Amino acid sequence: AQSVTQLDSQVPVFEEAPVELRCNYSSSVSVYLFWYVQYPNQGLQLLLKYLSGSTLVKGINGFEAEFNKSQTSFHLRKPSVHISDTAEYFCAVSGPDSSYKLIFGSGTRLLVRP
Amino acid sequence: DAGVTQSPTHLIKTRGQQVTLRCSPISGHKSVSWYQQVLGQGPQFIFQYYEKEERGRGNFPDRFSARQFPNYSSELNVNALLLGDSALYLCASSQDWTATNEKLFFGSGTQLSVL
Repeated sequence: AQSVTQLDSQVPVFEEAPVELRCNYSSSVSVYLFWYVQYPNQGLQLLLKYLSGSTLVKGINGFEAEFNKSQTSFHLRKPSVHISDTAEYFCAVSGPDSSYKLIFGSGTRLLVRP
Repeated sequence: DAGVTQSPTHLIKTRGQQVTLRCSPISGHKSVSWYQQVLGQGPQFIFQYYEKEERGRGNFPDRFSARQFPNYSSELNVNALLLGDSALYLCASSQDWTATNEKLFFGSGTQLSVL
């Protein structure tokens, strides 16, 4: 069975500072990994995904993530955050035998302060 | 172009009642998935329908059911509501049935409160 752990429920950071949101996964088979963002009163929007190939994945809004198989991690990073990045961020996993569904972590609230 | 639309946006029910939630996918999308998001948790997969057939079911009781219509819209039904069913119910659509190669587009959800 696959699972996702987001250890940080909330990450406060000042505007223009770098940020890293942590995600660890558990799976006995190869995985596909995703980061989604949820703004207040909105649905989820895909930031980026890793299916195969280069372990460094670039997404929208200046975000990037690195797939680390040995550490079973897929941390999300941004070198300089903006107030508008304040939102809930979800890491998700899928796999070749269950590609129709996503398994989400519990989310990390990024709070950007001026 | 219209995105994924869900109705109603908010709903209040009492324990034991039944509820129907509706979802209209993006035009041209043939797959609809349903997720339950309890406050403070990540979304949890309930169902996926593709071409009007159920392709996947999550770990939810039989009180939860769904269907997809010829126009690819979908309904999620929950019978005998429990307090624990209170959640944001999200619908997502895609052109194909995989959540990996295809990009999922999520609606804003229906907030269900069970009193």
